Amino acid sequence: QSVLTQPPSVSGAPGQRVTISCTGSSSNIGAGYDVHWYRQLPGTAPKLLIYANSNRPSGVPDRFSGSKSGTSASLAITGLQGEDEADYYCQSYDSSLSGYVFGTGTKVTVL
Amino acid sequence: EVQLLESGGGLVQPGGSLRLSCEASGFTFSSYGMNWVRQAPGKGLEWVSRISGSGGSTYYTDSVKGRFTISRDKSKNTLYLQMNSLRAEDTAVYYCAKAGCSSSSCSTSYNWFDPWGQGTLVTVSS
Repeated sequence: QSVLTQPPSVSGAPGQRVTISCTGSSSNIGAGYDVHWYRQLPGTAPKLLIYANSNRPSGVPDRFSGSKSGTSASLAITGLQGEDEADYYCQSYDSSLSGYVFGTGTKVTVL
Repeated sequence: EVQLLESGGGLVQPGGSLRLSCEASGFTFSSYGMNWVRQAPGKGLEWVSRISGSGGSTYYTDSVKGRFTISRDKSKNTLYLQMNSLRAEDTAVYYCAKAGCSSSSCSTSYNWFDPWGQGTLVTVSS
């Protein structure tokens, strides 16, 4: 059950900036739990992109940035590249479900 | 380098059982919680279960409670998922994922998944 809502798709031309929203509620993001982001290339396992709202693991370019406010979070990709075509998921914790929750997923298309 | 290698997936009939394994290397296994996350064909990600570093605490999503059991063997650096009473809706690629932050550094509820294994496909069908 996806309790975090993301847009199904976003697109942009190479070099442009795109943002992906992740909307939750008072039992997850709004409760103060951190938001994390993953990228999943076709046919492969997800890979961590952003952890604890805005932190990049080593090796992730600074074109990727994350933010959180209230019951929502956002992932921004600047300088869009063809290799950024993938599915992106947000993740948090939900106190009502007593477990981790994922977003519905967003497919990024580079035009 | 941290590596996670899943195995044990396959085709099973409804009501059947299967045990998944995830062999871990490259980190102190007992210091980190471990998780199972699944992805049904063409669908999104769903967290299934978590076990603490010591193995003393386990957590499950509601849809698998009473049917799935997560466990770990420190001597073999291996994570398991015993799946019983399987249903068609359990069909998915199952990934094991290491907690991104150690048990001593992060609260369970603030943790993330890093890295993930390559996944193993479980198909429940007659």
